[in-house]
Amino acid sequence: SQQGEEDPQALSIQEGENATMNCSYKTSINNLQWYRQNSGRGLVHLILIRSNEREKHSGRLRVTLDTSKKSSSLLITASRAADTASYFCATDGGNFNKFYFGSGTKLNVKP
Amino acid sequence: DTAVSQTPKYLVTQMGNDKSIKCEQNLGHDTMYWYKQDSKKFLKIMFSYNNKELIINETVPNRFSPKSPDKAHLNLHINSLELGDSAVYFCASRTGRNTGELFFGEGSRLTVL
Repeated sequence: SQQGEEDPQALSIQEGENATMNCSYKTSINNLQWYRQNSGRGLVHLILIRSNEREKHSGRLRVTLDTSKKSSSLLITASRAADTASYFCATDGGNFNKFYFGSGTKLNVKP
Repeated sequence: DTAVSQTPKYLVTQMGNDKSIKCEQNLGHDTMYWYKQDSKKFLKIMFSYNNKELIINETVPNRFSPKSPDKAHLNLHINSLELGDSAVYFCASRTGRNTGELFFGEGSRLTVL
């Protein structure tokens, strides 16, 4: 299958710590995106990284992409209780119209 | 105003029934999607329409039939509901840009008894 697979499935940290989540995928991509889903809500876009980019920052978020390993990581620095959510990566499998997701990483940030 | 809105938010029905979920977006986007999220949170793409034309159909049983009366609306009709259809169904939309992000609705939780 073409979907991204997030790792770990669950992550529990203390407020103020950094959280790192990983995504692996199987086919070539144009872009990779990260999304966040609060419990009982829809997904919200966080950041997009193009296949020719290696790293991107947005506020407390840092995304890296290694196309040779077909993997990406999302780092959230100085986490807050409000960051508690599930995080998903979405890959396009080389088709700009298709977005494949996995099962996400469930992040719990303890106050 | 909600950008992508779905109705109903909750739907409980019996096996064998037919039901519909409606989706509307006011973002002016050309492309709309239906995704299914199962109990393990796996999010699977089902369909996509671009300007009322079906562009993606990801091996979904033909009991599921999407309909797009115009580019702002994408409805999902499900015939002969089965227990395995229980899930949260998400509608999403995006612009036609290659770097366009998805905007999701809040989801419609379908429970088949």
